[in-house]
Amino acid sequence: GAGVSQSPSNKVTEKGKDVELRCDPISGHTALYWYRQSLGQGLEFLIYFQGNSAPDKSGLPSDRFSAERTGGSVSTLTIQRTQQEDSAVYLCASSLIRVNTEAFFGQGTRLTVV
Amino acid sequence: SQQGEEDPQALSIQEGENATMNCSYKTSINNLQWYRQNSGRGLVHLILIRSNEREKHSGRLRVTLDTSKKSSSLLITASRAADTASYFCATGNTGANSKLTFGKGITLSVRP
Repeated sequence: GAGVSQSPSNKVTEKGKDVELRCDPISGHTALYWYRQSLGQGLEFLIYFQGNSAPDKSGLPSDRFSAERTGGSVSTLTIQRTQQEDSAVYLCASSLIRVNTEAFFGQGTRLTVV
Repeated sequence: SQQGEEDPQALSIQEGENATMNCSYKTSINNLQWYRQNSGRGLVHLILIRSNEREKHSGRLRVTLDTSKKSSSLLITASRAADTASYFCATGNTGANSKLTFGKGITLSVRP
């Protein structure tokens, strides 16, 4: 596709359930980011994939959060045993691997844990 | 942790006025970028300035970078109601893993 695609757009889940959020980056972009944004707040870095290097997982808030990127393209962010504080918009972005490049964002997944 | 810190947190101006937003950061950077966000969804890239550049223009946007003060400013000239949005600065680290780190953002309201 022409841009970064995220699915679903909205997800309502019950506390304690697992959720999977999907990100399809722009074709050819080897860098992929996941961020979380709570209402009215800034972007909280979660995880960063860069080519074939080991991902930077330093932003994952707990071991309930994990992400993978298959074949250097599609990425899935999984949240296990969701909690109400996990409610936020989850944003994915991709960019070319070289430095000094802009990131292109998807429209995000709004997760609501009830 | 946040790298960039924007200032002010909120700004309200009249259409036609200029809007100036500031960003400060803590560690060495490779580049600094400004993004815009409407309605709490995806961000759109506005402009990128490299660490060896001091000023850059794009349409009604002007960005400056002062690496000695670890600060940047974004100027929007002749603002329009459509410029109402949240604006974020993001810094690219030095080194091989140049991930983008965002500040908390500035809410700009342009009154018609």
